[in-house]
Amino acid sequence: QTVVTQEPSFSVSPGGTVTLTCALSSGSVSETDYPSWYQQTPGQAPRTLIYNTHTRSSGVPDRFSGSIVGDRAALTITGAQADDESSYYCVLYLGRGITVFGTGTEVTVL
Amino acid sequence: QVQLVESGGGLVKPGGSLRLSCAASGFIFSDYYMSWVRQAPGKGLEWLSYISTISTYREYADSVKGRFAVSRDNAKNSVYLQMDSLRAEDTAVYYCARNGITTRHFDFWGQGILVTVSS
Repeated sequence: QTVVTQEPSFSVSPGGTVTLTCALSSGSVSETDYPSWYQQTPGQAPRTLIYNTHTRSSGVPDRFSGSIVGDRAALTITGAQADDESSYYCVLYLGRGITVFGTGTEVTVL
Repeated sequence: QVQLVESGGGLVKPGGSLRLSCAASGFIFSDYYMSWVRQAPGKGLEWLSYISTISTYREYADSVKGRFAVSRDNAKNSVYLQMDSLRAEDTAVYYCARNGITTRHFDFWGQGILVTVSS
């Protein structure tokens, strides 16, 4: 069974930078896994941030960026703001329509 | 603007069935794959199923394969999730989501609907 693992939590200072990662149990993540990233605050539906590794969804501030770092997908928040305090999930596409969510990272801004 | 509105959730006994609906508006529904995603209380997101534009392709997560069935009616701009043999562990908020034009991500989400499986 394929598992996609993220850091459980991160803390970042206001104005600081944080990089969240997304690892695949079966090997390296690449652009052909079409990594995407979603933000979710408690009680709300997810919001799409990044797709196809680094493409920002409409209306997403440019302080959010996506990349591949080493063998993982990464989401970087540069200049964190208080309302970035949320859970963040990556998704990897495994082929034949099958997608897998990562375990999620809870980000605290303080 | 794009809107996805789920309905049909509620309380059901273990072993029972429920059919969720998702009404779409604000876009050409028949042009897009659609998916279902759920979130158990206090847990992360879990992809469940997708259906292609004219229902040719459907896939399911192992956790629901054989128990859940996705369908769509392009004339009604709606996608459905038939859930049978429900278990306590199916208790979750269920979201419908539109797949992006490359189909490999989700670009819009419904607000979610709660399904509780309990005796």
